[in-house]
Amino acid sequence: GQNIDQPTEMTATEGAIVQINCTYQTSGFNGLFWYQQHAGEAPTFLSYNVLDGLEEKGRFSSFLSRSKGYSYLLLKELQMKDSASYLCAVKDSNYQLIWGAGTKLIIKP
Amino acid sequence: IAGITQAPTSQILAAGRRMTLRCTQDMRHNAMYWYRQDLGLGLRLIHYSNTAGTTGKGEVPDGYSVSRANTDDFPLTLASAVPSQTSVYFCASSWLAGDQDTQYFGPGTRLTVL
Repeated sequence: GQNIDQPTEMTATEGAIVQINCTYQTSGFNGLFWYQQHAGEAPTFLSYNVLDGLEEKGRFSSFLSRSKGYSYLLLKELQMKDSASYLCAVKDSNYQLIWGAGTKLIIKP
Repeated sequence: IAGITQAPTSQILAAGRRMTLRCTQDMRHNAMYWYRQDLGLGLRLIHYSNTAGTTGKGEVPDGYSVSRANTDDFPLTLASAVPSQTSVYFCASSWLAGDQDTQYFGPGTRLTVL
């Protein structure tokens, strides 16, 4: 079966750095997405990786290793507004997105 | 309209009733999707449409139907609602071309079936 694993919850301190991991086992791979979802709101796109390596976008970076079936989202200089759930999704061989359950990130002052 | 809109925002429905959730996008995206989101689970695809006039089944299609008469609208119908269909429903759309077909989501409909 297809599976996306992420930690259920993480806690970090304002101003610090946090890394959210995602491992996947899917039928084929055509890219990996990270989305942010604030409580009660819709998911919003953060990043996309299709080749191995690091993609940097401001305070957020996303890394992919296809051989290891692994990605992480790195958030730097954490702000209170970064408190949200972070969703990892993989596009499979049918070009459908398979979603992880999400990681709830709690930021403490 | 800017992006994707969904209606209603929330609804409480008696079991056995018929309900249509509406979704409209103004980005001229060719692909549209319906997901449900339940606590502790990832988003699960119900139905999708790669272009106007075509639809396909996702992971959890039973009890739901869709239509795609034009590019902008993609309604989801529950023919006879059951309590297990209590969930938050998200509509999304994307430009299905190339590698990065990023999906953009509507604000969601919170549905409670009693």
